[in-house]
Amino acid sequence: GESVGLHLPTLSVQEGDNSIINCAYSNSASDYFIWYKQESGKGPQFIIDIRSNMDKRQGQRVTVLLNKTVKHLSLQIAATQPGDSAVYFCAENSNDYKLSFGAGTTVTVRA
Amino acid sequence: DSGVTQTPKHLITATGQRVTLRCSPRSGDLSVYWYQQSLDQGLQFLIQYYNGEERAKGNILERFSAQQFPDLHSELNLSSLELGDSALYFCASSAFMNNEQFFGPGTRLTVL
Repeated sequence: GESVGLHLPTLSVQEGDNSIINCAYSNSASDYFIWYKQESGKGPQFIIDIRSNMDKRQGQRVTVLLNKTVKHLSLQIAATQPGDSAVYFCAENSNDYKLSFGAGTTVTVRA
Repeated sequence: DSGVTQTPKHLITATGQRVTLRCSPRSGDLSVYWYQQSLDQGLQFLIQYYNGEERAKGNILERFSAQQFPDLHSELNLSSLELGDSALYFCASSAFMNNEQFFGPGTRLTVL
C-alpha cells in the first residue's frame, strides 16, 4: 500500500554540522515530493520540493535528493543552526493530489 | 506567516457536540486542504476543495464534512464528537492542485 516513512524518529546534531534526514516511499506513481518543517505550536512550513523528473534540488542551506530507483528521498541541511530544531516531514503527492505525510523526524540541535 | 488563517485557535467542547472550524486561504489560492494531526496518527489528509468543488477525499469520517464557499474560504464541520477527535486540525492552501501547500497555524480541538 501507499506509505511514506522516515528512517529515524529523532536526530541529534551539533550546531554547525550538516544534517541528513531520510525518507522512504512506496508509491511508484508519486511524482512530487515535499519537505516540511514544523516547529512547536505551529503549522508545517514548506522547505523545499522536488518533482520526479529531477534527482536533486538546492535551496538556501538545504538540498533534497531523490532516488527513484530505491524510492528514497533525503533532506540535507548545511551548517545546522539552533533554529533548525523542529520536526521534519516528507510528503509525497501522486496524481490524486493528496499529500501523504511520513511520521516525522525530530531534529535537535546541540549548542 | 503563511497567509492562511484559521479560527478559532483553540476549541474545547464536550462529547456529542458539533463544531465548525474556519479557514481562509492565501489570497488567490483556489485549493483548500484539511488535515488532522494527532499524536498517534501523524498528519492525515482529510479532504480537498478546488474552486468550490470537492476534489479529493482522504481518511475523513462520515461525521465530518466540509465545504468551500464562493469567496474561497472553507469550513470543516465535526459532529457527534468523540474523545478521539481531539487533535490539531490544519488547513492548507495552494494556487492550483499538486502545488506547494501553505499551512495555517491550526485549530487545537479538545473534546472532553
